[in-house]
Amino acid sequence: AQSVTQPDIHITVSEGASLELRCNYSYGATPYLFWYVQSPGQGLQLLLKYFSGDTLVQGIKGFEAEFKRSQSSFNLRKPSVHWSDAAEYFCAVDPSSNDYKLSFGAGTTVTVRA
Amino acid sequence: GAGVSQTPSNKVTEKGKYVELRCDPISGHTALYWYRQSLGQGPEFLIYFQGTGAADDSGLPNDRFFAVRPEGSVSTLKIQRTERGDSAVYLCASSLVGVSTDTQYFGPGTRLTVL
Repeated sequence: AQSVTQPDIHITVSEGASLELRCNYSYGATPYLFWYVQSPGQGLQLLLKYFSGDTLVQGIKGFEAEFKRSQSSFNLRKPSVHWSDAAEYFCAVDPSSNDYKLSFGAGTTVTVRA
Repeated sequence: GAGVSQTPSNKVTEKGKYVELRCDPISGHTALYWYRQSLGQGPEFLIYFQGTGAADDSGLPNDRFFAVRPEGSVSTLKIQRTERGDSAVYLCASSLVGVSTDTQYFGPGTRLTVL
């Protein structure tokens, strides 16, 4: 079955430490890939997206993600986490790469400790 | 500029009642989407509008759910005979033209609780 998997439900990280959030997908072709962040009371905000080309994508707020076709993964990273990065993060795919419907993973909640 | 707004932010209703949820997209955006986010899950697609017409309503769970966008701007999601299983956060998003390379901008959602 086609799916988007975020294996980690909850991650706790110290402020200033690095962060990596995992995302795996299972679709026949390479989909378009997205990472969104959801803070309490806020709408989902797009961090970055990958369509084609360079497999390392830079986004807002110091985030980056790397597409690895061989692993069907699109992991999100940040070298140094700030307390304001505490939020829920969602990986999403556009399966057909020519569509508008996003399929989301279940999300990873990030807690930042001082 | 103003983002996507949704009203109400919270709605509590009783089983069997009718509810309407409103979405005001970013001005000039022709594409509008509704998603539903259940507790502990990611958003799930419900329906997509291109202008005034529902281009894809394949995500609506059953015929109790209906959505309109009569003037190509504001949209209303309507749920008849609500059930406890309808409790969720209903998210609205809009994008400029509705192709996959467009960024979808999400509103803060309406939290629906069916008692």
